[in-house]
Amino acid sequence: GQQLNQSPQSMFIQEGEDVSMNCTSSSIFNTWLWYKQDPGEGPVLLIALYKAGELTSNGRLTAQFGITRKDSFLNISASIPSDVGIYFCAGPNNAGNMLTFGGGTRLMVKP
Amino acid sequence: NAGVTQTPKFRILKIGQSMTLQCTQDMNHNYMYWYRQDPGMGLKLIYYSVGAGITDKGEVPNGYNVSRSTTEDFPLRLELAAPSQTSVYFCASSYSIETQYFGPGTRLLVL
Repeated sequence: GQQLNQSPQSMFIQEGEDVSMNCTSSSIFNTWLWYKQDPGEGPVLLIALYKAGELTSNGRLTAQFGITRKDSFLNISASIPSDVGIYFCAGPNNAGNMLTFGGGTRLMVKP
Repeated sequence: NAGVTQTPKFRILKIGQSMTLQCTQDMNHNYMYWYRQDPGMGLKLIYYSVGAGITDKGEVPNGYNVSRSTTEDFPLRLELAAPSQTSVYFCASSYSIETQYFGPGTRLLVL
């Protein structure tokens, strides 16, 4: 089946730093999604990307849909303590009836 | 709106016991999903439903059963609990596959 690989698995950064994480797949995805899971809660959708090359922002977050359709990137600028959590990439399978999730990138921010 | 609610929040089961995890949504979404999240891992789809009376298997359905008698409710049943089912279980609902709304999760420990 389709798999999504996220890197890095975890990051420990200083407040104010910029963060970059990515998600790759061996197969093509037509939609890329980025979810965030706060500690002890369920994931929440941050950004959805629908077109190859698309660059979309949501506040301090910017995500890009790779040209090859096999990767996506999420950047967070000027990190703050509430950015702590697990960031998941996801995409619909070929049948369009379920989402495949990556393993997540765990972000820790030191005040 | 309460969104997606899950009960219980936490449960300890003995091997071989059965239980039902409850999930209710008040957003009138047709789509509902059950995921499990193992420590340090992403989300794996157990079962999903596209509407009342319709359910289908996800990636990891073995050992679970679901029903969807109403639009609002989507309970997940474990018949013979095994240690491998120790996990955090998330229910989600949506209008479209991309924008899923997750509940707060049920933490299950099988001993």
